[in-house]
Amino acid sequence: NAGVTQTPKFQVLKTGQSMTLQCAQDMNHNSMYWYRQDPGMGLRLIYYSASEGTTDKGEVPNGYNVSRLNKREFSLRLESAAPSQTSVYFCASSEAAPGYPGNTIYFGEGSWLTVV
Amino acid sequence: AQSVTQLGSHVSVSEGALVLLRCNYSSSVPPYLFWYVQYPNQGLQLLLKYTSAATLVKGINGFEAEFKKSETSFHLTKPSAHMSDAAEYFCAVNSGTYKYIFGTGTRLKVLA
Repeated sequence: NAGVTQTPKFQVLKTGQSMTLQCAQDMNHNSMYWYRQDPGMGLRLIYYSASEGTTDKGEVPNGYNVSRLNKREFSLRLESAAPSQTSVYFCASSEAAPGYPGNTIYFGEGSWLTVV
Repeated sequence: AQSVTQLGSHVSVSEGALVLLRCNYSSSVPPYLFWYVQYPNQGLQLLLKYTSAATLVKGINGFEAEFKKSETSFHLTKPSAHMSDAAEYFCAVNSGTYKYIFGTGTRLKVLA
């Protein structure tokens, strides 16, 4: 039972380089999310997608782009990486829509990104 | 506006002792509350959630949490700590919007 799968698990980038984090879920969930986790700040939402073909900004979208390729896949792209984007990134999914009361989010195992 | 405060970024308990991790929330509407656990180098796993059905919520691995509206609290407890409980624990609140508000986490250390 894979759940939410992210790749790569670890990545080191130089400032200005670009990269894409891939995410796929096999739970047939409608909604998908990208969060970043920084020490002492909890998790912050970057972008979310309520359904295939739609994406919306979260709390901290600057410097990122996303693509909801199909129902299963939701990628996060850093066009020009900056040291401030050094973080742990989590992809997540939920069966219900983001605003649905009591909606439960299921997380992937994380991608550790360092920008030097 | 919603917010979550977790008191104590680090908590240490002896193996077999009571675990108490504190979470206080603020919400202008009835909240939905969650506890997640994160083991080292892993993602967040749902421990339990409160959705107004019952104030005492039982979760996995022997954890439970009690919703107290008068105290705006949702503290997580476990009667007897096990070494395998060492992890970081996050409280989160959602009030029916796209936005989950996560606390800053409490790292639990279990001493032998």
